[in-house]
Amino acid sequence: QKEVEQNSGPLSVPEGAIASLNCTYSDRVSQSFFWYRQYSGKSPELIMSIYSNGDKEDGRFTAQLNKASQYVSLLIRDSQPSDSATYLCASLSPGGFKTIFGAGTRLFVKA
Amino acid sequence: DAGVIQSPRHEVTEMGQEVTLRCKPISGHNSLFWYRQTMMRGLELLIYFNNNVPIDDSGMPEDRFSAKMPNASFSTLKIQPSEPRDSAVYFCASMPGAEADTQYFGPGTRLTVL
Repeated sequence: QKEVEQNSGPLSVPEGAIASLNCTYSDRVSQSFFWYRQYSGKSPELIMSIYSNGDKEDGRFTAQLNKASQYVSLLIRDSQPSDSATYLCASLSPGGFKTIFGAGTRLFVKA
Repeated sequence: DAGVIQSPRHEVTEMGQEVTLRCKPISGHNSLFWYRQTMMRGLELLIYFNNNVPIDDSGMPEDRFSAKMPNASFSTLKIQPSEPRDSAVYFCASMPGAEADTQYFGPGTRLTVL
């Protein structure tokens, strides 16, 4: 069973701090990785995708991928209370369609 | 674009009843997914359609679940008979094509089976 593992949290950080969310995956052939944000009672929405080793930055968000360690992370700089949500890590195997989601990490940003 | 549309948004039914959930994908998207989300099991893929054809239904829990996509703009997920353990939020998602990888989720249907 191919899996994506995340710490369920909750992760609590003060406003303005850096929030660090981590994820590991078991399928070595996975090539595409995603971070979705899900507010309580809402549907998941894609915030970052990453395909190559290294860092990818988009505004306050930075995704990091290390395929050798099968590790994906998401950094949120200058965290805001509006960032409080559950963050789902997901992977997609090459040539496939099946996106495997982690259970999600709940993030609370305290004002 | 209106995004992915699902109906109903909430459904409360009694055990043994038939439940039908509906989804309209984003126009032009030819991949459609049905997911179920619970606290215990997280987000699970139930079935995937590409160009209206079911490609993989290995996530469908059992024969009580069935899904159809009669045309590019409509899909249904049916549970018959429903059981309390089917209570969950059911999401429909669509994707522009098999080569794309960004899924757009609908608002979900919260199903409660009493």
